[in-house]
Parts: sequence; structure tokens; C-alpha cells
Amino acid sequence: DTAVSQTPKYLVTQMGNDKSIKCEQNLGHDTMYWYKQDSKKFLKIMFSYNNKELIINETVPNRFSPKSPDKAHLNLHINSLELGDSAVYFCASSQVLPGAGMETQYFGPGTRLLVL
Amino acid sequence: DAKTTQPTSMDCAEGRAANLPCNHSTISGNEYVYWYRQIHSQGPQYIIHGLKNNETNEMASLIITEDRKSSTLILPHATLRDTAVYYCIVRRPNFGNEKLTFGTGTRLTIIP
Repeated sequence: DTAVSQTPKYLVTQMGNDKSIKCEQNLGHDTMYWYKQDSKKFLKIMFSYNNKELIINETVPNRFSPKSPDKAHLNLHINSLELGDSAVYFCASSQVLPGAGMETQYFGPGTRLLVL
Repeated sequence: DAKTTQPTSMDCAEGRAANLPCNHSTISGNEYVYWYRQIHSQGPQYIIHGLKNNETNEMASLIITEDRKSSTLILPHATLRDTAVYYCIVRRPNFGNEKLTFGTGTRLTIIP
């Protein structure tokens, strides 16, 4: 019973191609995120969506376009892939706690993208 | 959000308590201390969080000093599966605009 799932787990592609990564959460959460972990293992936020609305965009190149068809899904489309896009991409979801504003984020297993 | 400082790496013998320190001397009054960990090749996993009181759950205990400038995550009986990178994150409530800012964390190795 996976809470946050991502597909594919591995993605190997050529430079210049367009690819998509899908994320689904079955936790009923309102907010979803994309994080990128580079080869040096730094983990950084890219985007967050709350109820299908873009909330955070951390100066990510516009080749990256998140799409949220409903609040259970947040997909990441990447155009014109570059070598530097090689990384592990993690999806996460969370729910704001009533009265506290703090929430726990649940992460997916990651998608390992290798651009050749 | 306040910056945190953690040791780069630590070892702990299996079965012993693992104590992971975190300094957050610039923490402000409404900022929480969160701990996550990342086991190799997996997504980060929530462990515990607190504001000023000590907290305990089924995974760990969190001890926050009275001045809140530092904290310690305690894994009471470390197992080999606890080998991971542990991240201490300080953040304030930001309703609907939450994000986690990960530092470099502490790489904890449990020794058999």
C-alpha cells in the first residue's frame, strides 16, 4: 500500500529529449512537492502545489513544467533534457495540521534520471 | 528559517543509543525542529519534530535544550537498518507554503 509512488523508477535518455515523471499519493493530502537531489546528494525543493495550484517555484528553468491534474497527482515534464538534469527526483506530499500549520512530508522512492 | 549545523559523520555500535547533535543557535520562537533521515537510495523519511518540549515516538526521542539553541536526536537501540543520513531542519509554520530546506546532514553508520 504505497503512500507516495513515482514512475518510472529509472529513466535513461538522450540529451535534447522530452520526458515526464509521474507522482501519485493516496494519503488524501492537499500539498505535493518535487525535490531534486544532485550527484553531491544535496536535496532541494523545486516546486510545490496546493490543491492543484502552484505555490512554490524555486527558480527552476522553464524547461521543467509541473502539472497537477488533481490533488492526488503531480507530474513533472522536462523539455530539452540537458546533462545537468541528471539527478534523483523525489515527489512528496503533506497535509497542514489543523491549528498548527506544521506538517510531515511523505516522500516517494525517487526517480533516477540519467541524461546521456 | 534558521540555519543548522550537524557533524558530518558519526559511528555507533549496534544495540547502543545513537545520539545525533544539532546546533540551531539562531532559532526563533515559532520555529520547530524537525528530523528526517534518508536511507541509501530511498526517499527521506520523517522521524520526529518538536518546538520546545522533549518528544518521543516509536522511532526516536528528541531532546531540545532550554534555550532551544541545540537539540539531540536519540535512537535508543540502534540497528544496522538505522544507517542513514540524518537531517536536522528548523522551520516555522508557513501555512500552505511549506518547504523543507535540507542541509548536508550527519551520515550515521551503525557498526555490527
